[in-house]
Amino acid sequence: QLQLQESGPRLVKPSETLSLTCTVSGGSIGVNYCSWVRQPPGKEPEWIAHISYSGNTKTDYNPSLKSRVTISLDTSKNQFSLRLDSVTAADTAVYYCALIPSVWGQGTMVTVSS
Amino acid sequence: EIVLTQSPGTLSLSPGDRATLSCRASQSVYNNYLAWYRQKPGQAPRLLIYPASNRATGTPDRFSGSGSGTDFTLTISRLEPEDFAVYYCQQHGSSPVTFGGGTKVEMK
Repeated sequence: QLQLQESGPRLVKPSETLSLTCTVSGGSIGVNYCSWVRQPPGKEPEWIAHISYSGNTKTDYNPSLKSRVTISLDTSKNQFSLRLDSVTAADTAVYYCALIPSVWGQGTMVTVSS
Repeated sequence: EIVLTQSPGTLSLSPGDRATLSCRASQSVYNNYLAWYRQKPGQAPRLLIYPASNRATGTPDRFSGSGSGTDFTLTISRLEPEDFAVYYCQQHGSSPVTFGGGTKVEMK
């Protein structure tokens, strides 16, 4: 059974870059859509982006975040990553990696603060 | 972007009651790629139903999903203590993937 685990800094300063990695265990990423989702405290989840690989890499981004987001995939390490540039306090949230809809990581709380 | 509107915002019920949750989409959800999740405090969303009416592996049969197009419903036939939580619908038939605002099922 696939399991996902997020890793990365939990505190990021305003205007800097948030970087997270998701490690997949218990099987291969395969052709799954590897997604990042975030959830600000007390609010609903928000999809950020997804990436998949089946011969070539396909990415898709939430238009509201597209200008600041990069998603990447390393199939040799069974990992995918998120980069969010120029963060502000509004980017404070629990960040989840997921193989939507069925498999989710436990989430990691990232706070943007000086 | 497909906007998902969930109603009601809060349901106040007792254990053993029946719960009916609604998710309405601003346009048709492609191939009924509509998921229902339950989220308990401090936990990730857990998939219950996908797509639209199929129970995910491990989902108890007191949960059922119905609907198509723009109107979807999650029914919990008899509420258990662990069902008092927040429920979200989510579509990924069209980009961007979107979530509803959630329905909180609280104990009366």
